[in-house]
Amino acid sequence: DGGITQSPKYLFRKEGQNVTLSCEQNLNHDAMYWYRQDPGQGLRLIYYSQIVNDFQKGDIAEGYSVSREKKESFPLTVTSAQKNPTAFYLCASSILGNDEQYFGPGTRLTVT
Amino acid sequence: QQQVKQSPQSLIVQKGGISIINCAYENTAFDYFPWYQQFPGKGPALLIAIRPDVSEKKEGRFTISFNKSAKQFSLHIMDSQPGDSATYFCAASSDAGNMLTFGGGTRLMVKP
Repeated sequence: DGGITQSPKYLFRKEGQNVTLSCEQNLNHDAMYWYRQDPGQGLRLIYYSQIVNDFQKGDIAEGYSVSREKKESFPLTVTSAQKNPTAFYLCASSILGNDEQYFGPGTRLTVT
Repeated sequence: QQQVKQSPQSLIVQKGGISIINCAYENTAFDYFPWYQQFPGKGPALLIAIRPDVSEKKEGRFTISFNKSAKQFSLHIMDSQPGDSATYFCAASSDAGNMLTFGGGTRLMVKP
């Protein structure tokens, strides 16, 4: 079964702790993305990567970091510098040059 | 800076009725306009998409209408069903590399 997996589905952390969200795809897509979704709001782009070992900041990159060491994997770290980290985080991927993005099931992060 | 404005934020429709969701954009470089459907706790899934070379695209009960001069596009769901109850997002991207800009979302409820 080809697709995007995100783990875990729910994540709880204490304020001040860094946390890493996993995103893996077996679609052989070059491009991968991280979005943040808040209640009643659209998706906002955090980071994206079009090739291994390269990534670009999106609209709301502050307080987040990413790595792209493998084509299949694009983990997102929510650092303690992120002022309001509680949100639903979505990972997506696409064929480079193709507009259609495929989304994973998301990780709901709660920081207290 | 919200480049894609979506309305209404929420919509209640009776079973069998027509659901209409509207989006307006500002960036004239946008040339790809998808609609995504998202069920609670899940990632968005591509529903239907259109490019500016046509004014309408239909897939089953779902139709996109596109007005290039007005910089507006809309999703029409014919014969709406309770199973259509979800959040719908419009989005747009330009030729410059796959970046999708999302509208704020519309929560649709179809009453039986």
